[in-house]
Amino acid sequence: NAGVTQTPKFQVLKTGQSMTLQCAQDMNHNSMYWYRQDPGMGLRLIYYSASEGTTDKGEVPNGYNVSRLNKREFSLRLESAAPSQTSVYFCASRPIGGQYGYTFGSGTRLTVV
Amino acid sequence: QQQVKQSPQSLIVQKGGISIINCAYENTAFDYFPWYQQFPGKGPALLIAIRPDVSEKKEGRFTISFNKSAKQFSLHIMDSQPGDSATYFCAASGRDDKIIFGKGTRLHILP
Repeated sequence: NAGVTQTPKFQVLKTGQSMTLQCAQDMNHNSMYWYRQDPGMGLRLIYYSASEGTTDKGEVPNGYNVSRLNKREFSLRLESAAPSQTSVYFCASRPIGGQYGYTFGSGTRLTVV
Repeated sequence: QQQVKQSPQSLIVQKGGISIINCAYENTAFDYFPWYQQFPGKGPALLIAIRPDVSEKKEGRFTISFNKSAKQFSLHIMDSQPGDSATYFCAASGRDDKIIFGKGTRLHILP
């Protein structure tokens, strides 16, 4: 069982470049999330999708866009990367209903120079 | 607005000792309180979770204590082992389907 798969695992971008982080889950989960993790800041929600066809902003959405392509896939796009977006990005998914935990992917380490 | 406050930021415990991490929340609508464990280079993994209708939940060496009136909950790791060295996150969620995380505690168990 793959669970939540993120690609790429590592990426270096120059300021102003764009890229898309890919996420796919094979657990038939309804909800999917993108978080960023920075030292001392914990995990901060960027965007989430409660179900296919819907997306909502989280705590730190500026500079990002998302697409819920289908039930399995949820991508995160940086249109014009900035050094402040250097971070580790985690995708997660969750079954419908409030009292279940997330399943996280293994992360994408992004450096913007 | 930080809705889940976690302490301490870092913790060093001798092998065999008890590790205790504390969290406090503000939103009384939260009804699910998970703890996550994260090893370097890996994504967080669900460790144990509790609902507010119980005061304690135990799974092996890991126990959550929950105090609804004080809006506090804590993770206790009994007989701590070097393999428990990791970053631990407390979290909370309500009906809006989002999980709010604390800032994490870096735990180091001395061999």
